[in-house]
Amino acid sequence: QTVVTQEPSFSVSPGGTVTITCGLSSGSVSPSYYPCWYQQTPGQAPRTLIYSTTTRSSGVPNRFSGSILGNKAALTITGAQADDESDYYCVLFMGSGIWVFGGGTRLTVL
Amino acid sequence: EVQLVESGGGLVRPGGSLRLSCADSGFTFIDAWMSWVRQAPGKGLEWIGRIRSKTDGGAISYAAPVKGRFTISRDDSKNTLFLEMNSLKTEDTAIYYCASGDYFNFWGQGTLVTVSS
Repeated sequence: QTVVTQEPSFSVSPGGTVTITCGLSSGSVSPSYYPCWYQQTPGQAPRTLIYSTTTRSSGVPNRFSGSILGNKAALTITGAQADDESDYYCVLFMGSGIWVFGGGTRLTVL
Repeated sequence: EVQLVESGGGLVRPGGSLRLSCADSGFTFIDAWMSWVRQAPGKGLEWIGRIRSKTDGGAISYAAPVKGRFTISRDDSKNTLFLEMNSLKTEDTAIYYCASGDYFNFWGQGTLVTVSS
């Protein structure tokens, strides 16, 4: 079974830039996987940031951007702020109606 | 605006059953593809399954760990999504979220299901 991989944790300085990636245990991520990104703070429901690789969800600041970098999907936060400290999850479409989430990346802003 | 409210969670014994509901107070439920996603305590998100809108064929897909035990359905006349869970296991303990949209665009606040003896 294909596993969706993410870095378990990352840290960034306030105002800095961080890129979180979303890969596959076997193969490369392409736009045909429709990668999406979600932000979740403790005790809260997930919030949609990016869908279909690059499309920013309504109300999401433009410091969040999605792309394909090499063989992975990527979420880049430019000019990180304290309230960006959260868990970030990607999800990929595997075909046949099946979606698989990555294990999540805990981002610390310090 | 889409507003999703899950209900029906609670404590259930292993092997038992539970039915979750997700009510959508928005106006576009009938056209929405709806999904269930769960999150075990301290763990990440896990996609459970999805049901397409009837106009798009109404197909339902499930993740392997729940296929054959869980059933997703919808009542468009009541703007409500359902998750029927049977043969529950302790590892099914989680917060269950419903999500609306092709890309899980809108999320409810979740309902907690605890499977324990």
